[in-house]
Amino acid sequence: AQKITQTQPGMFVQEKEAVTLDCTYDTSDPSYGLFWYKQPSSGEMIFLIYQGSYDQQNATEGRYSLNFQKARKSANLVISASQLGDSAMYFCAMREGSGTYKYIFGTGTRLKVLA
Amino acid sequence: NAGVMQNPRHLVRRRGQEARLRCSPMKGHSHVYWYRQLPEEGLKFMVYLQKENIIDESGMPKERFSAEFPKEGPSILRIQQVVRGDSAAYFCASSRDKAFITDTQYFGPGTRLTVL
Repeated sequence: AQKITQTQPGMFVQEKEAVTLDCTYDTSDPSYGLFWYKQPSSGEMIFLIYQGSYDQQNATEGRYSLNFQKARKSANLVISASQLGDSAMYFCAMREGSGTYKYIFGTGTRLKVLA
Repeated sequence: NAGVMQNPRHLVRRRGQEARLRCSPMKGHSHVYWYRQLPEEGLKFMVYLQKENIIDESGMPKERFSAEFPKEGPSILRIQQVVRGDSAAYFCASSRDKAFITDTQYFGPGTRLTVL
């Protein structure tokens, strides 16, 4: 069965440093998409970055990059040059190519950026 | 450039009352998804709708919960006879017309339901 695992319930990072948030997934479908969302304390879900299973290169969006290791079934989010505003919950999600394209979410990682 | 709209943002109901949550997708989007988030947990899929059709309701409780997406107007998630366990944040997401694997779901701000 499809599954998303985020093993880090909480992380701290010093301002201006880089941080990696882990995400592993499990699926038997060869076609899938992986997404990262940020949820600040205000509660909304903000889309950050997408990686497709057939993409040859790792996705990047500004300070966000996705370290996609297909053989290991991992899709870690890397945030470079952390800012205080990056403090939030971060969720990894997967969407399979078959079926109805619903997202499966991990349990999230709470990131705290220290000044 | 309106995003996904949800209202109300906060809803308080007493046990046994009905809760109606509304979602207007982004302009040009005809696929709507509802998710529920319990405190300190990730989002859990409830139901996927297109205009006038329920495509997948595998995550929806069999009783008391229903959803619709009429030809005109917003999508509605309806919870009848609410219980305290229904207290959660309910998020709506939408994607564009063709639900390809690359289609990103854009989320609304959520409705926080509190059942007293």
